[in-house]
Amino acid sequence: GQNIDQPTEMTATEGAIVQINCTYQTSGFNGLFWYQQHAGEAPTFLSYNVLDGLEEKGRFSSFLSRSKGYSYLLLKELQMKDSASYLCAVMDSNYQLIWGAGTKLIIKP
Amino acid sequence: IAGITQAPTSQILAAGRRMTLRCTQDMRHNAMYWYRQDLGLGLRLIHYSNTAGTTGKGEVPDGYSVSRANTDDFPLTLASAVPSQTSVYFCASSDSSGRATGELFFGEGSRLTVL
Repeated sequence: GQNIDQPTEMTATEGAIVQINCTYQTSGFNGLFWYQQHAGEAPTFLSYNVLDGLEEKGRFSSFLSRSKGYSYLLLKELQMKDSASYLCAVMDSNYQLIWGAGTKLIIKP
Repeated sequence: IAGITQAPTSQILAAGRRMTLRCTQDMRHNAMYWYRQDLGLGLRLIHYSNTAGTTGKGEVPDGYSVSRANTDDFPLTLASAVPSQTSVYFCASSDSSGRATGELFFGEGSRLTVL
């Protein structure tokens, strides 16, 4: 079966750095996505990785290792507004998105 | 404001009733999707449409139906609601059937409670 694993919840301090991991086992691979979802709101797109390596976008970076079935989302200079759930999703060989359950990130002052 | 509009935002429904969740997008995206989101689970695809006039079944299609008469509208119908269909429903759209960057644009969600 297809599976996406990510931690249920993480806590970090304002101004610090946090890394959210995602491991996956899917039927084929056509890219990995990270979305941010604030409580009670819709998910919004953060990043897309299809090749191995690090993609940097401002305070957020996303890394992919296809051979290890592994990705992480790195958030730097954390702000209170970064408190949200972060969803990892993989596009399989049929171009369908398989979603993880999400990681709830709590930022403390 | 361009984007996806869902209605209603919230609804309480008696079991056995029929319910249609509406979804309209003005981005001229080819592909549209319906997901449900339940606590502790990832988003699960109910039905999708790669282009107007075509639909397909997702991971959890039972008890739901969709239609895609035109590019903009993609309603989801629960023919006879059951309590297990209590969930938050998200409509989403993408261009190129998600085969480009795969970026999905989501509506604000419809919270449905079936009693």
